[in-house]
Amino acid sequence: TQLLEQSPQFLSIQEGENLTVYCNSSSVFSSLQWYRQEPGEGPVLLVTVVTGGEVKKLKRLTFQFGDARKDSSLHITAAQPGDTGLYLCAGSVGTGNQFYFGTGTSLTVIP
Amino acid sequence: DTGVSQDPRHKITKRGQNVTFRCDPISEHNRLYWYRQTLGQGPEFLTYFQNEAQLEKSRLLSDRFSAERPKGSFSTLEIQRTEQGDSAMYLCASSPFGISRNYGYTFGSGTRLTVV
Repeated sequence: TQLLEQSPQFLSIQEGENLTVYCNSSSVFSSLQWYRQEPGEGPVLLVTVVTGGEVKKLKRLTFQFGDARKDSSLHITAAQPGDTGLYLCAGSVGTGNQFYFGTGTSLTVIP
Repeated sequence: DTGVSQDPRHKITKRGQNVTFRCDPISEHNRLYWYRQTLGQGPEFLTYFQNEAQLEKSRLLSDRFSAERPKGSFSTLEIQRTEQGDSAMYLCASSPFGISRNYGYTFGSGTRLTVV
C-alpha cells in the first residue's frame, strides 16, 4: 500500500508550458519534501515544507503544503528541457525518522 | 567530503549468489538509510541507522537481507541467496542528527543490481 499517491504518473509537455504535479494522502505528515531524480542517479532534494498552507518558491518552481498537511503540489512555470526527470514527494509521520515516498511523476519537457 | 558514495554502481549476479553493497555517508551525518527502488516506482524504505544502532527495519527486509554500520560510519547491505525479484536500484541516504522533519536526505547514486 502506497502512503502517498502522485498524479499524473506521466507528463509530457512542450517547452514554455506550465504544469502542476499533485501529491495526496489520507495521512497527516509532519513534513513533506520534494525530490527530483534523473535516470541512474539518486533523488536530489528540492524543498522541505513543514507548516500547513506553507508556500515555497524555488525559481520557476512553486511548492505548496495543504492546510491539513495531507497533500502537496508542485507547480512549474515555463518548463524547460532541463526540468525533465522523475519528481518524487516524500512525507514523514510523527517524529519523522523515515520518509515515505510517493509513486513519482515522470516529466518530459520537449524542446 | 563530496557527498554520499555507493559502491559498486552496477552489479550483475547469478541467482543464488550473495552480494554486498557499501555506502559511505557524509561524515557529519549520524543517520543512514537504505532504500530500494524498482523501475517506475518511488524508493521503498528498507532500514535506518542512527550511528551504529539499527533502529528500524521494514517488512521488505526478509531474512536474506542484512545491514550493518559497525563503527557508525560506512554501512554495508548484504543480500544472501539472491532472487530475480531482488533486481532493483539500492539507494543509500544520510542526514544529520536532529529533528528529522527539518532535514532532507542526501542520496548516493545508488547500486543497480541485476539478478540473472
